[in-house]
Amino acid sequence: GDSVTQMEGPVTLSEEAFLTINCTYTATGYPSLFWYVQYPGEGLQLLLKATKADDKGSNKGFEATYRKETTSFHLEKGSVQVSDSAVYFCALSDRIQGAQKLVFGQGTRLTINP
Amino acid sequence: DAMVIQNPRYQVTQFGKPVTLSCSQTLNHNVMYWYQQKSSQAPKLLFHYYDKDFNNEADTPDNFQSRRPNTSFCFLDIRSPGLGDAAMYLCATSREAGQVYEQYFGPGTRLTVT
Repeated sequence: GDSVTQMEGPVTLSEEAFLTINCTYTATGYPSLFWYVQYPGEGLQLLLKATKADDKGSNKGFEATYRKETTSFHLEKGSVQVSDSAVYFCALSDRIQGAQKLVFGQGTRLTINP
Repeated sequence: DAMVIQNPRYQVTQFGKPVTLSCSQTLNHNVMYWYQQKSSQAPKLLFHYYDKDFNNEADTPDNFQSRRPNTSFCFLDIRSPGLGDAAMYLCATSREAGQVYEQYFGPGTRLTVT
């Protein structure tokens, strides 16, 4: 079945550092790809998405490009802030009975130190 | 603001005592999902409703049931909770109309089984 593999965490960086969180996927067909963020004690929030190959999703300084040739969707940010500390989930969507099933990676915990 | 609301945020139940978690939405979305997220793991889809049609994941235990009395509300019933059912339960909604729409998540209900 479809699956998502994320970079192992936890990741600890200093404020203003460059961030990359790797994500690769295995899927039949051409799924849509997402990054969700989960702050402590909260639900998931969509950070960005891409629906087809070569699409770039971006939001709040974060970017990710849908790379079909490498089956990847790596998350990047040029200068992280303390407020970016959270758990980040890469996910793909699979169509099921007219709806979407999100298949998540294992999550990467990010801590940014001042 | 339109949103997904989950009550209660924290629920404690006894081993084997039935418990119900609730989710409501003001987004008027036609699909509602229930995910289980155990500590430090990715969310895992339990089931979803597409309008009134219930769709169960193949590996969801029979102990878990759901009800959707109307568009706005959806309930998760755990008939006989075991210690292994302690988790965060996330409700999500989406609007499905043949395109990829994001899922909106509630803040979750953290279930403790004593």
